[in-house]
Amino acid sequence: EAQVTQNPRYLITVTGKKLTVTCSQNMNHEYMSWYRQDPGLGLRQIYYSMNVEVTDKGDVPEGYKVSRKEKRNFPLILESPSPNQTSLYFCASSLGTPTDTQYFGPGTRLTVL
Amino acid sequence: KQEVTQIPAALSVPEGENLVLNCSFTDSAIYNLQWFRQDPGKGLTSLLLIQSSQREQTSGRLNASLDKSSGRSTLYIAASQPGDSATYLCAAPATGGSYIPTFGRGTSLIVHP
Repeated sequence: EAQVTQNPRYLITVTGKKLTVTCSQNMNHEYMSWYRQDPGLGLRQIYYSMNVEVTDKGDVPEGYKVSRKEKRNFPLILESPSPNQTSLYFCASSLGTPTDTQYFGPGTRLTVL
Repeated sequence: KQEVTQIPAALSVPEGENLVLNCSFTDSAIYNLQWFRQDPGKGLTSLLLIQSSQREQTSGRLNASLDKSSGRSTLYIAASQPGDSATYLCAAPATGGSYIPTFGRGTSLIVHP
Protein backbone atom coordinates (compact mmCIF):
# COMPACT_ATOMS: atom_id res chain seq x y z
CA GLU A 1 0.00 0.00 0.00
CA ALA A 2 1.31 3.43 -0.99
CA GLN A 3 1.74 5.50 2.13
CA VAL A 4 3.64 8.04 4.18
CA THR A 5 4.42 6.89 7.71
CA GLN A 6 5.49 8.93 10.71
CA ASN A 7 6.81 7.92 14.10
CA PRO A 8 6.06 8.46 16.84
CA ARG A 9 2.40 9.41 16.52
CA TYR A 10 2.35 11.00 19.97
CA LEU A 11 5.23 12.41 21.99
CA ILE A 12 5.47 14.30 25.25
CA THR A 13 8.90 15.64 26.10
CA VAL A 14 10.61 18.35 28.13
CA THR A 15 12.31 21.55 27.07
CA GLY A 16 15.80 21.03 25.69
CA LYS A 17 15.69 17.28 25.17
CA LYS A 18 16.66 16.53 21.58
CA LEU A 19 14.16 14.50 19.58
CA THR A 20 13.67 13.14 16.07
CA VAL A 21 10.42 12.49 14.27
CA THR A 22 10.84 10.03 11.43
CA CYS A 23 9.06 10.12 8.08
CA SER A 24 9.17 7.47 5.41
CA GLN A 25 7.41 7.04 2.06
CA ASN A 26 7.24 3.97 -0.15
CA MET A 27 6.21 5.66 -3.40
CA ASN A 28 9.68 6.59 -4.68
CA HIS A 29 8.72 10.26 -4.42
CA GLU A 30 11.41 12.88 -4.89
CA TYR A 31 9.71 15.74 -3.06
CA MET A 32 9.14 15.59 0.69
CA SER A 33 8.21 18.22 3.22
CA TRP A 34 7.31 18.89 6.84
CA TYR A 35 4.42 21.00 8.11
CA ARG A 36 3.14 22.07 11.46
CA GLN A 37 -0.52 22.73 12.12
CA ASP A 38 -1.64 25.09 14.87
CA PRO A 39 -5.13 26.32 15.76
CA GLY A 40 -5.83 29.66 14.13
CA LEU A 41 -2.65 29.53 12.06
CA GLY A 42 -3.36 26.62 9.77
CA LEU A 43 -0.72 24.52 8.06
CA ARG A 44 2.73 26.02 7.62
CA GLN A 45 5.67 24.45 5.87
CA ILE A 46 8.85 23.96 7.93
CA TYR A 47 11.31 22.44 5.46
CA TYR A 48 11.16 20.72 2.14
CA SER A 49 13.43 18.53 0.04
CA MET A 50 13.44 18.27 -3.74
CA ASN A 51 15.67 15.18 -3.72
CA VAL A 52 18.40 13.35 -1.83
CA GLU A 53 20.81 15.79 -0.19
CA VAL A 54 18.72 18.77 -1.37
CA THR A 55 16.79 20.57 1.37
CA ASP A 56 15.49 24.09 1.81
CA LYS A 57 13.66 26.22 4.32
CA GLY A 58 9.94 26.67 4.30
CA ASP A 59 7.98 29.38 6.06
CA VAL A 60 8.85 28.49 9.67
CA PRO A 61 12.25 26.71 9.83
CA GLU A 62 13.57 28.21 13.09
CA GLY A 63 14.34 25.57 15.70
CA TYR A 64 14.21 22.64 13.29
CA LYS A 65 16.66 20.63 11.23
CA VAL A 66 16.14 18.04 8.52
CA SER A 67 18.23 15.65 6.50
CA ARG A 68 17.66 13.66 3.32
CA LYS A 69 20.26 10.94 3.06
CA GLU A 70 17.93 8.45 1.40
CA LYS A 71 15.08 9.07 -0.98
CA ARG A 72 12.45 7.40 1.21
CA ASN A 73 13.31 9.04 4.56
CA PHE A 74 13.06 12.64 5.71
CA PRO A 75 13.49 12.97 9.50
CA LEU A 76 12.65 16.14 11.41
CA ILE A 77 15.05 17.00 14.21
CA LEU A 78 14.40 19.30 17.13
CA GLU A 79 17.81 19.90 18.73
CA SER A 80 16.48 21.81 21.75
CA PRO A 81 12.68 21.73 21.81
CA SER A 82 10.77 24.58 23.39
CA PRO A 83 7.10 24.85 24.44
CA ASN A 84 6.27 26.96 21.36
CA GLN A 85 7.06 23.89 19.25
CA THR A 86 4.10 22.08 20.73
CA SER A 87 2.06 21.33 17.66
CA LEU A 88 0.69 18.73 15.25
CA TYR A 89 3.31 17.81 12.66
CA PHE A 90 2.74 16.33 9.22
CA CYS A 91 5.11 14.88 6.71
CA ALA A 92 4.12 14.91 3.03
CA SER A 93 5.52 13.68 -0.26
CA SER A 94 4.85 14.07 -3.96
CA LEU A 95 6.25 12.50 -7.07
CA GLY A 96 8.65 15.22 -8.08
CA THR A 97 7.34 18.48 -9.38
CA PRO A 98 5.25 21.18 -7.74
CA THR A 99 2.34 20.18 -9.97
CA ASP A 100 1.97 16.74 -8.41
CA THR A 101 -0.51 15.61 -5.80
CA GLN A 102 0.75 15.74 -2.22
CA TYR A 103 0.32 12.73 0.06
CA PHE A 104 0.29 13.29 3.80
CA GLY A 105 1.31 11.15 6.75
CA PRO A 106 -1.04 10.59 9.72
CA GLY A 107 0.57 13.26 11.89
CA THR A 108 2.66 13.45 15.07
CA ARG A 109 1.25 15.26 18.05
CA LEU A 110 4.13 16.77 20.00
CA THR A 111 3.88 18.34 23.44
CA VAL A 112 6.92 20.12 24.89
CA LEU A 113 6.66 20.83 28.62
CA LYS B 1 3.49 36.47 -0.38
CA GLN B 2 0.57 34.20 -1.21
CA GLU B 3 -2.44 34.41 1.09
CA VAL B 4 -5.26 31.90 0.95
CA THR B 5 -8.67 32.51 2.50
CA GLN B 6 -11.49 30.03 2.91
CA ILE B 7 -15.09 31.00 3.43
CA PRO B 8 -17.10 30.03 5.36
CA ALA B 9 -14.97 28.93 8.31
CA ALA B 10 -17.72 26.58 9.46
CA LEU B 11 -20.85 25.13 7.94
CA SER B 12 -23.62 22.93 9.32
CA VAL B 13 -26.20 21.54 6.92
CA PRO B 14 -28.81 18.79 6.79
CA GLU B 15 -28.11 15.69 4.79
CA GLY B 16 -28.90 15.91 1.09
CA GLU B 17 -28.01 19.55 0.54
CA ASN B 18 -25.69 20.69 -2.22
CA LEU B 19 -22.76 22.68 -0.84
CA VAL B 20 -20.32 25.28 -2.07
CA LEU B 21 -17.01 25.88 -0.31
CA ASN B 22 -14.90 28.84 -1.36
CA CYS B 23 -11.15 29.37 -1.58
CA SER B 24 -9.55 32.66 -2.64
CA PHE B 25 -5.89 33.44 -3.19
CA THR B 26 -3.98 36.68 -3.71
CA ASP B 27 -1.29 35.57 -6.19
CA SER B 28 -2.85 34.13 -9.33
CA ALA B 29 0.47 32.76 -10.63
CA ILE B 30 0.04 29.31 -9.12
CA TYR B 31 1.28 25.84 -9.98
CA ASN B 32 -2.05 24.29 -9.15
CA LEU B 33 -4.92 24.36 -6.68
CA GLN B 34 -5.43 21.34 -4.47
CA TRP B 35 -8.36 20.50 -2.22
CA PHE B 36 -7.90 18.28 0.81
CA ARG B 37 -10.08 16.68 3.42
CA GLN B 38 -8.96 16.35 7.04
CA ASP B 39 -10.79 14.23 9.60
CA PRO B 40 -10.31 15.11 13.29
CA GLY B 41 -6.85 14.16 14.54
CA LYS B 42 -5.82 12.73 11.19
CA GLY B 43 -3.76 13.64 8.19
CA LEU B 44 -4.87 15.29 4.99
CA THR B 45 -6.32 13.33 2.12
CA SER B 46 -6.12 14.79 -1.36
CA LEU B 47 -9.52 15.18 -3.01
CA LEU B 48 -8.89 17.05 -6.22
CA LEU B 49 -5.98 18.78 -7.91
CA ILE B 50 -6.55 21.35 -10.63
CA GLN B 51 -3.52 22.27 -12.71
CA SER B 52 -3.08 25.97 -13.48
CA SER B 53 -4.08 25.35 -17.10
CA GLN B 54 -7.33 23.61 -16.15
CA ARG B 55 -10.72 25.03 -15.24
CA GLU B 56 -12.23 22.20 -13.23
CA GLN B 57 -11.89 18.64 -11.94
CA THR B 58 -14.55 16.16 -10.92
CA SER B 59 -14.49 13.10 -8.70
CA GLY B 60 -17.78 11.44 -7.85
CA ARG B 61 -19.98 13.94 -6.00
CA LEU B 62 -17.17 16.49 -5.86
CA ASN B 63 -16.46 19.17 -8.43
CA ALA B 64 -13.76 21.82 -8.10
CA SER B 65 -13.42 24.83 -10.34
CA LEU B 66 -10.56 27.26 -10.76
CA ASP B 67 -10.68 30.88 -11.92
CA LYS B 68 -7.14 32.21 -11.76
CA SER B 69 -8.03 35.66 -13.05
CA SER B 70 -10.28 36.28 -10.06
CA GLY B 71 -8.11 34.29 -7.64
CA ARG B 72 -10.84 31.86 -6.70
CA SER B 73 -11.60 28.18 -6.49
CA THR B 74 -14.88 26.54 -5.53
CA LEU B 75 -15.49 23.04 -4.21
CA TYR B 76 -18.99 21.83 -4.92
CA ILE B 77 -20.32 18.84 -2.96
CA ALA B 78 -23.50 17.32 -4.32
CA ALA B 79 -26.08 15.55 -2.17
CA SER B 80 -24.10 15.84 1.05
CA GLN B 81 -23.91 12.90 3.48
CA PRO B 82 -22.97 12.63 7.16
CA GLY B 83 -19.74 10.93 6.06
CA ASP B 84 -18.74 14.18 4.36
CA SER B 85 -18.31 15.81 7.78
CA ALA B 86 -14.69 16.95 7.99
CA THR B 87 -12.51 20.00 7.51
CA TYR B 88 -11.80 20.94 3.92
CA LEU B 89 -8.61 22.78 3.05
CA CYS B 90 -7.29 24.27 -0.13
CA ALA B 91 -3.67 24.92 -1.06
CA ALA B 92 -2.44 27.31 -3.75
CA PRO B 93 1.35 27.27 -4.21
CA ALA B 94 2.61 30.36 -6.02
CA THR B 95 5.18 29.91 -8.77
CA GLY B 96 7.54 32.68 -7.72
CA GLY B 97 10.69 30.88 -6.60
CA SER B 98 10.46 28.01 -4.11
CA TYR B 99 7.61 25.59 -3.92
CA ILE B 100 6.09 26.52 -0.57
CA PRO B 101 2.38 25.73 -0.69
CA THR B 102 0.12 28.09 1.19
CA PHE B 103 -2.91 26.56 2.82
CA GLY B 104 -6.15 28.14 3.80
CA ARG B 105 -7.37 27.63 7.37
CA GLY B 106 -10.14 25.37 6.20
CA THR B 107 -13.90 25.07 6.28
CA SER B 108 -15.25 22.84 9.03
CA LEU B 109 -18.28 20.99 7.65
CA ILE B 110 -20.92 19.12 9.64
CA VAL B 111 -23.62 17.25 7.77
CA HIS B 112 -26.34 16.10 10.15
CA PRO B 113 -28.82 13.31 9.40
